[in-house]
Amino acid sequence: DSGVTQTPKHLITATGQRVTLRCSPRSGDLSVYWYQQSLDQGLQFLIQYYNGEERAKGNILERFSAQQFPDLHSELNLSSLELGDSALYFCASSPSLITGTDTQYFGPGTRLTVL
Amino acid sequence: EDQVTQSPEALRLQEGESSSLNCSYTVSGLRGLFWYRQDPGKGPEFLFTLYSAGEEKEKERLKATLTKKESFLHITAPKPEDSATYLCAVPAYSGAGSYQLTFGKGTKLSVIP
Repeated sequence: DSGVTQTPKHLITATGQRVTLRCSPRSGDLSVYWYQQSLDQGLQFLIQYYNGEERAKGNILERFSAQQFPDLHSELNLSSLELGDSALYFCASSPSLITGTDTQYFGPGTRLTVL
Repeated sequence: EDQVTQSPEALRLQEGESSSLNCSYTVSGLRGLFWYRQDPGKGPEFLFTLYSAGEEKEKERLKATLTKKESFLHITAPKPEDSATYLCAVPAYSGAGSYQLTFGKGTKLSVIP
């Protein structure tokens, strides 16, 4: 158990809908990262928040957005869903900004299926 | 562009048959290299961090090594429970003092009893 929690575990929805994925980081960690993992693309970085502020963006679509709240939990919002958005979504956390020295610990993931 | 390449894509071993997985990287100013293990449908589980060429770390049947261009994950006398996908990742600078992990596509290891 990494200490990172994600809800829900599974999500099944229809095209065009909007969903929210939730992540609680490990106690004391200030950085939260979101990743998408699909069969053909591997693990892709989406976005990072540090202590409530957005710090880095990766391959995140404009239909996707995230935020980190004062209690440090984070939510990833996915809207106008398409079939291709079906994937595993992981949250990770680390103590600070510097991933060169900080280990990222991953949550169990949310499996999103868009029908 | 920072890149991470893992080989082979898949590896099938008999129980007890030792082997190595490779992770080659191109990144300016390596700040560390991370190895993770991922079971199907689960989140990546942290294994090792290596920071400088020549460094080695061990955990049970696994030993990770690092050179200036690549890292190896050596598996000695593997057991079926070592079956998983092994991922390596390096930090890439993404601006504003932040780094993001760039992952390889992984090596899927199957250990047959």
